[in-house]
Amino acid sequence: EVQLVESGGGLVQPGGSLRLSCAASGFTLSSHWMNWVRQAPGKGPEWVANINQDGNEKYYVDSVKGRFTVSRDNTKNSLYLQMNNLRPEDTAVYYCARGGSYSGYWGQGTLVTVSS
Amino acid sequence: EIVLTQSPGTLSLSPGERATLSCRASQSVSSNNLAWYQQKPGQAPRLLIYGASSRATGIPDRFSGSGSGTDFTLTISRLEPEDFAVYYCQQYGSSRTFGQGTKVEIK
Repeated sequence: EVQLVESGGGLVQPGGSLRLSCAASGFTLSSHWMNWVRQAPGKGPEWVANINQDGNEKYYVDSVKGRFTVSRDNTKNSLYLQMNNLRPEDTAVYYCARGGSYSGYWGQGTLVTVSS
Repeated sequence: EIVLTQSPGTLSLSPGERATLSCRASQSVSSNNLAWYQQKPGQAPRLLIYGASSRATGIPDRFSGSGSGTDFTLTISRLEPEDFAVYYCQQYGSSRTFGQGTKVEIK
């Protein structure tokens, strides 16, 4: 069974940093592009970033470029999102999802709240 | 950036009725790279349709997708109680963007 479990969310002050992790199981992570998608309270989903199978192709939505970095460690079956210089508008549930285009498997999400 | 506009915002229907949801793109979506998702409160989105018209694994055949270019439609032929939810379209032809959603509620 495919499982994706995010962790690392929490409350952080504006300008702060967080590192989200996504633990993958039930499939071979190294065979798949992976997405990070976020959803602000009461809003629709927003694609944030994706990364190819070996980590040498990465793409970001304009609003996070230069602040967020996606990475992966296939040996640990894990995906990461390093988030720096966080802003209140980054407040959302962050999901990791399998696939670089559309996503058929999603984690349960981890909540990031940026507030003073 | 391709902007996706979904209509209506809310659809009030009864079980057994047909639901027709629209997704319009601000520019043509290449290769019909459009997906539909269902989302219930407290849950992650669930993939229903990809490639504009291909059903994802395990999705009942009452769900169907159609359209091309800038106009796409998700149709639920006969609403079941578990189909009342919010539906989002997403394009992946040029970067990735989502629509704002259509809520299908019980009338």
